[in-house]
Amino acid sequence: QVTLRESGPALVKPTQTLTLTCTFSGFSLSTSAMCVSWIRQPPGKALEWLARIDWDDDKYYSTSLKTRLTISKDTSKNQVVLTMTNMDPVDTATYYCARSYGPSPNDYWGQGTLVTVSS
Amino acid sequence: DIVMTQSPDSLAVSLGERATINCKSSQSVLYSSNNKNYLAWYQQKPGQPPQLLIYWASTRESGVPDRFSGSGSGTDFTLTISSLQAEDVALYYCQQYYSTPYTFGQGTKLEIK
Repeated sequence: QVTLRESGPALVKPTQTLTLTCTFSGFSLSTSAMCVSWIRQPPGKALEWLARIDWDDDKYYSTSLKTRLTISKDTSKNQVVLTMTNMDPVDTATYYCARSYGPSPNDYWGQGTLVTVSS
Repeated sequence: DIVMTQSPDSLAVSLGERATINCKSSQSVLYSSNNKNYLAWYQQKPGQPPQLLIYWASTRESGVPDRFSGSGSGTDFTLTISSLQAEDVALYYCQQYYSTPYTFGQGTKLEIK
């Protein structure tokens, strides 16, 4: 079955760089049309789409955050990594990774990981 | 970016009654070449990730009860729960996947009256 799991630090300091890893199973990012996205949700607030990487290594980013985000994949490890630079307390959120197949919404999601930005 | 606006922000409905949530996109999410609306609905319960309910604006995801239905085209969409059950209390989000960056509505909180 398809599973995704996010991992990374629970606490980062302002100005630091956040690195999150999504480890998945049940599908391969080398399969045509497969994609993995990152979405975040500040406490009590709405979902915000951050980035997507496709099977062919095409990458897409949030307009407002694109200067701070980098998404990459390691197909052999079944992992997708998101880095976000210059973290700020407003970046405190639960970060989710999710799968999609082709031009479609995210059908499988990880449980999310809460990242708090505080000195 | 396509802006998604949901209404209302919160909604209280009696058990067994109909619940209706609206979603409006700032530009059409209907792809003319295949006549499909690139619009999805998600349900999110406390402490859980979102769960896909509806895609292509009106296609129910496998396992989703048939009391959930989606309708609309172009820029205006609706999620309807025909007979509210206690387990439907949740946040509901629409999302366009017509063009990146994919964007979500602000969410609608559904409660029991």
